[in-house]
Amino acid sequence: NFMLTQPHSVSESPGKTVTISCTRSSGSIASNYVQWYQQRPGSAPTTVIYEDNQRPSGVPDRFSGSIDSSSNSASLTISGLKTEDEADYYCQSYDSSSVFGGGTKLTVL
Amino acid sequence: QLQLQESGPGLVKPSETLSLTCTVSGGSISSSSYYWGWIRQPPGKGLEWIGSIYYSGSTYYNPSLKSRVTISVDTSKNQFSLKLSSVTAADTAVYYCARHLGVSPDYWGQGTLVTVSS
Repeated sequence: NFMLTQPHSVSESPGKTVTISCTRSSGSIASNYVQWYQQRPGSAPTTVIYEDNQRPSGVPDRFSGSIDSSSNSASLTISGLKTEDEADYYCQSYDSSSVFGGGTKLTVL
Repeated sequence: QLQLQESGPGLVKPSETLSLTCTVSGGSISSSSYYWGWIRQPPGKGLEWIGSIYYSGSTYYNPSLKSRVTISVDTSKNQFSLKLSSVTAADTAVYYCARHLGVSPDYWGQGTLVTVSS
C-alpha cells in the first residue's frame, strides 16, 4: 500500500493564506480522488474537500483543493484565514483500501 | 438530517472482542449510493481506516486489521456493526462510524472512546 505524507504543523496569521501539502509515496496522485478533513479539538472530523477539489455545501469558498502530478501531491489552500480555522487537517486517498495522511496542525495566530 | 450514533462498551478486556454498533437516522442504510464504515483514532494520534460495507454485504477492509475485523449490516434496523477480535492496549481509540463513498468517509458520527484494559 502507499503512504500520504503531510507536514506536522503549519502556522499563519489571520487574513493570510496557507497551503497544506499531501504527498503520495507510490502510485499516481491523479489515479484516485483525494479528500480533506478538518478536525477541531474534541470534535469528529468533517469533510472540507472531496474528489480533489469539490466543496461540500456549507464549506466556505476560502477552502480549495488541488492536485499536482509533477510532485505527486495534493494541496489544501485556505485563504482569508480565521481563528476558527485552527484545527487538524487530514488528507485521504485510496487504492484497494483507504489511507489517511498523518495530519497537519494548523495554528492561526 | 443524517445522523450516525455509535454505541457499545467503553471498556474491553485484553484478548476479548470489541463490539460497536452504529445507528443511522435521517437516511437509509440501503441507499445505493453509499457504503458505511469505521475509522479509529488513538488518543493524541491520527486517523486509521478500519473498513466499510455496502448494504448488500460487500466489504472492504484495512489489510493491516483484516484478520481481526468483521463489519456487518442490519438493514431492518438501519444499523451496521464492528467486531474487532483479540484486542490489546494498542486498540484503545476513539471509534467513529461514517457514511462512505466507497472507501472514503464523507459524513462522520461523533465517535466513542473504547479503552482496552483489564
